[in-house]
Amino acid sequence: NAGVTQTPKFQVLKTGQSMTLQCAQDMNHEYMSWYRQDPGMGLRLIHYSVGAGITDQGEVPNGYNVSRSTTEDFPLRLLSAAPSQTSVYFCASSWGSTGPKGSPLHFGNGTRLTVT
Amino acid sequence: GQQVMQIPQYQHVQEGEDFTTYCNSSTTLSNIQWYKQRPGGHPVFLIQLVKSGEVKKQKRLTFQFGEAKKNSSLHITATQTTDVGTYFCARATSSGGYQKVTFGTGTKLQVIP
Repeated sequence: NAGVTQTPKFQVLKTGQSMTLQCAQDMNHEYMSWYRQDPGMGLRLIHYSVGAGITDQGEVPNGYNVSRSTTEDFPLRLLSAAPSQTSVYFCASSWGSTGPKGSPLHFGNGTRLTVT
Repeated sequence: GQQVMQIPQYQHVQEGEDFTTYCNSSTTLSNIQWYKQRPGGHPVFLIQLVKSGEVKKQKRLTFQFGEAKKNSSLHITATQTTDVGTYFCARATSSGGYQKVTFGTGTKLQVIP
């Protein structure tokens, strides 16, 4: 059981280049999300999706696009990379939730992105 | 915004000492989740608290949810080098069955052998 798979593990981009970070999960989870992690800033939510065809913005969505055409995949697109997007990116998935109880997040291994 | 503040940001302890990290919110929380991230790794879910005043234990780890559901704590008794990592609290907010999870800034724990 693979869980949440992220590719690539490492990427170096030049300013202005575009790329897509891939995320796939095989747990049939409804909820998928992207976070970026920077020193001293914790994990900040970029975009999330509550099902195929449904996405919404998180805390820091600017500069990133997402789409959810299938339950399994949730790619994150950087259209024009900037040095401020240098970070570690994590994809996470979980079941949806009802009521006060949330569902635990399952994280991928992360993508370390450097923009020069 | 509805932020979750976490303190301290860093903590160095001698092996065998206790450690506590605190999570505080200005608004009432429906739940609080705790995650651990080992150096170079990804966050891993530890536990979730839902009820006011709830206390849960996992071996040397004790998790508490405040009576007012605005704060939470994670206490580690007699730390070991395997406890090294960053501990995050997180809140899951739901609307119509949908979930959004936002994280605190984390506490990085170093254990000195």
